[in-house]
Amino acid sequence: SAVISQKPSRDICQRGTSLTIQCQVDSQVTMMFWYRQQPGQSLTLIATANQGSEATYESGFVIDKFPISRPNLTFSTLTVSNMSPEDSSIYLCSGTRGGREKLFFGSGTQLSVL
Amino acid sequence: QKEVEQDPGPLSVPEGAIVSLNCTYSNSAFQYFMWYRQYSRKGPELLMYTYSSGNKEDGRFTAQVDKSSKYISLFIRDSQPSDSATYLCAMNFGNEKLTFGTGTRLTIIP
Repeated sequence: SAVISQKPSRDICQRGTSLTIQCQVDSQVTMMFWYRQQPGQSLTLIATANQGSEATYESGFVIDKFPISRPNLTFSTLTVSNMSPEDSSIYLCSGTRGGREKLFFGSGTQLSVL
Repeated sequence: QKEVEQDPGPLSVPEGAIVSLNCTYSNSAFQYFMWYRQYSRKGPELLMYTYSSGNKEDGRFTAQVDKSSKYISLFIRDSQPSDSATYLCAMNFGNEKLTFGTGTRLTIIP
């Protein structure tokens, strides 16, 4: 499986600021995704990162709050904008090469908002 | 009602025991069923996946799917301390969008 490098691994941010998370895959993937993992809750898909075009967001997530870029097949960023304590969570980048059951993940970004 | 229900645990068992982890689901349209393992401060990694009802074995791990009961299980034989992790079940309709359970935290006691 491919290796996904995600950074930062953790950060503590102030309310109202923004944080950009970077995701680098070591080989080409067909699809990249961003998930959120909150304590006691299941992984929730935020959006599908589309190469060279706007991301496809899931219900409850909007581009103004979570802008996503994917300039090429191996790199994507997620920005958490105008943060509040409710945004404190683990954010995970993931990808697949087309196998619909074979999703692989980065190590995640632990975000705490004060 | 959640689409996928999973007992969050925590579950503690002695080393060498057989572990049984389970999920139930409500949507009969789910086609692929997966188990992910997540160590602390790491992302989930795919452990097992199955498509049809029945058992699939890989070393000490066996995944079981019962579509008629909408119930899936993961069995771990001869459990080791290195198996201590959170186990997530997941499923999809045959596309890339996965629906996850909340995860079961497992601790194997030496």
